[in-house]
Amino acid sequence: DTAVSQTPKYLVTQMGNDKSIKCEQNLGHDTMYWYKQDSKKFLKIMFSYNNKELIINETVPNRFSPKSPDKAHLNLHINSLELGDSAVYFCASRHRDRGTGELFFGEGSRLTVL
Amino acid sequence: GDSVTQMEGPVTLSEEAFLTINCTYTATGYPSLFWYVQYPGEGLQLLLKATKADDKGSNKGFEATYRKETTSFHLEKGSVQVSDSAVYFCALSHGSSNTGKLIFGQGTTLQVKP
Repeated sequence: DTAVSQTPKYLVTQMGNDKSIKCEQNLGHDTMYWYKQDSKKFLKIMFSYNNKELIINETVPNRFSPKSPDKAHLNLHINSLELGDSAVYFCASRHRDRGTGELFFGEGSRLTVL
Repeated sequence: GDSVTQMEGPVTLSEEAFLTINCTYTATGYPSLFWYVQYPGEGLQLLLKATKADDKGSNKGFEATYRKETTSFHLEKGSVQVSDSAVYFCALSHGSSNTGKLIFGQGTTLQVKP
């Protein structure tokens, strides 16, 4: 039933490790996003895909690599994790040519790097 | 570039008090405007939206009016409840653009005390 689902919800790992977060939406949307929320609650866009094509790639270290195997899935892989990567990562989606621009968000994946 | 500025928080109110959270924006053209709410430990939910000047968005007793002359979209509620305690985000989007990304304000934490 969940519209935008992310896994895992919590992730605790050591510096230097590689980890992935997965996102799936069942809303029939064609555009998906990754946002990062820092400890002060500020939300910043990281990436966006439209129909598997990368359309937004903000200033993000190249240790972060998004992958969209199809328009319903958008995964985020992070190499060589650093302390500063600790944050909540939100996936979101929308249909580009319909609606009034609102995004639908997942519940977030809280990443803690020790 | 486009930006959104919200009033600093936290905002602490007693139950049944009147709420105003100020939001102003800088943008080219005619963006759509949104208020999202994030309850503790949860993702972002759309609270209300407005897509053109003078539109009023409303939901769950909250209201906001799109004021182009003052580039503002202030959130109001006549009588807050403890259950309204959350972080509120003002955001804008050019919904018809190719990317459709949401640009968020810094968020305002609301604490309602019984």
